Amino acid sequence: SQQGEEDPQALSIQEGENATMNCSYKTSINNLQWYRQNSGRGLVHLILIRSNEREKHSGRLRVTLDTSKKSSSLLITASRAADTASYFCATVSPLIQGAQKLVFGQGTRLTINP
Amino acid sequence: DGGITQSPKYLFRKEGQNVTLSCEQNLNHDAMYWYRQDPGQGLRLIYYSQIVNDFQKGDIAEGYSVSREKKESFPLTVTSAQKNPTAFYLCASRLRSNTEAFFGQGTRLTVV
Repeated sequence: SQQGEEDPQALSIQEGENATMNCSYKTSINNLQWYRQNSGRGLVHLILIRSNEREKHSGRLRVTLDTSKKSSSLLITASRAADTASYFCATVSPLIQGAQKLVFGQGTRLTINP
Repeated sequence: DGGITQSPKYLFRKEGQNVTLSCEQNLNHDAMYWYRQDPGQGLRLIYYSQIVNDFQKGDIAEGYSVSREKKESFPLTVTSAQKNPTAFYLCASRLRSNTEAFFGQGTRLTVV
């Protein structure tokens, strides 16, 4: 079963605007990660936030994590046409018997209009 | 040049055939993962492995098999028991806990 669920499924905004995507998950996590995927390609890691962190920044990206609500958000500020891609959150389960699951959500398809 | 390599990029399978997708990494990562992605969908976990000679089923393991004989390699076999194998398959690896995953460029499998 999918751990993370992104919202919205699709988002279309004008260049220069901010884009916010949300992710909800169901069970306890070790950390939560956000990835980007260009069409037909592999995923590229954007940012990792640990379960004891509440907010993290990287360039134009800002990620928040609320473990009490089991949710996270990704904010992309001052969007550019090149930000057009699908964005996925992924949760990492606590280490059990030497293995950690890395489970992805359905993704948000972001389109930036010039 | 360190990285994770999947091959082939495109693969065509006839009904009833088994096919094996290759995934190799030279990043010295411990954990490796296989995912399936259908058009417009998210990634679903097939199998994962934390160490050599050990692996666990993910959420959709039926019709698939894997091996982890070497740290660098984690091949995925799509067997004839997988009724709807046409999809984009992605392999990933991670060093350890609290680190990011690195992905290959994927293999697109089509049943003909």
